[in-house]
Amino acid sequence: AQTVTQSQPEMSVQEAETVTLSCTYDTSENNYYLFWYKQPPSRQMILVIRQEAYKQQNATENRFSVNFQKAAKSFSLKISDSQLGDTAMYFCAFMKDSGNTPLVFGKGTRLSVIA
Amino acid sequence: DGGITQSPKYLFRKEGQNVTLSCEQNLNHDAMYWYRQDPGQGLRLIYYSQIVNDFQKGDIAEGYSVSREKKESFPLTVTSAQKNPTAFYLCASSTGQDYNTEAFFGQGTRLTVV
Repeated sequence: AQTVTQSQPEMSVQEAETVTLSCTYDTSENNYYLFWYKQPPSRQMILVIRQEAYKQQNATENRFSVNFQKAAKSFSLKISDSQLGDTAMYFCAFMKDSGNTPLVFGKGTRLSVIA
Repeated sequence: DGGITQSPKYLFRKEGQNVTLSCEQNLNHDAMYWYRQDPGQGLRLIYYSQIVNDFQKGDIAEGYSVSREKKESFPLTVTSAQKNPTAFYLCASSTGQDYNTEAFFGQGTRLTVV
């Protein structure tokens, strides 16, 4: 069974600064997907970024980037130029390669961006 | 617009009652999922279905039941056997037919026992 661990229950960052959220996972699979989802106060789950395990290049989406270390089973999220709208719960998630299998989630990190 | 619709947004249940949460998607996705969210627990899988007329238990299926009679619909029933049903429930769907695989989520249902 896969497990996902987020070791930082809460974090805060000053507006315009950079913050990194940590995620580690455990799996015996070789091909899989990793995700970061954002859940703002509205509670709608929003996909932030996705990484395919077979790709060595780290994924980036505007101010969001990941540091994917497959051998270490680490998948951290870096948010640059933090904005007040980034305040949310962030969940790291794992999905097997088939794409029709359930996501396995970490317990989340609550990020507060401070003006 | 394609998406996932959950209803109702808020639901109140009396002790001993069964209630059904609705989840409908028009994304033509094969797989659908139900998650429960509690403070500090992340999202835990209740049930999932990868194809019509088939479904599997997740990590916390006790006290819940589902059906998948149509591709678009995956209702969740919270039975009286669920001893602590107060939580936020999220429905999601996904497809394995596209390399851009991801799960799409509904807006959730907040269930409260009164």
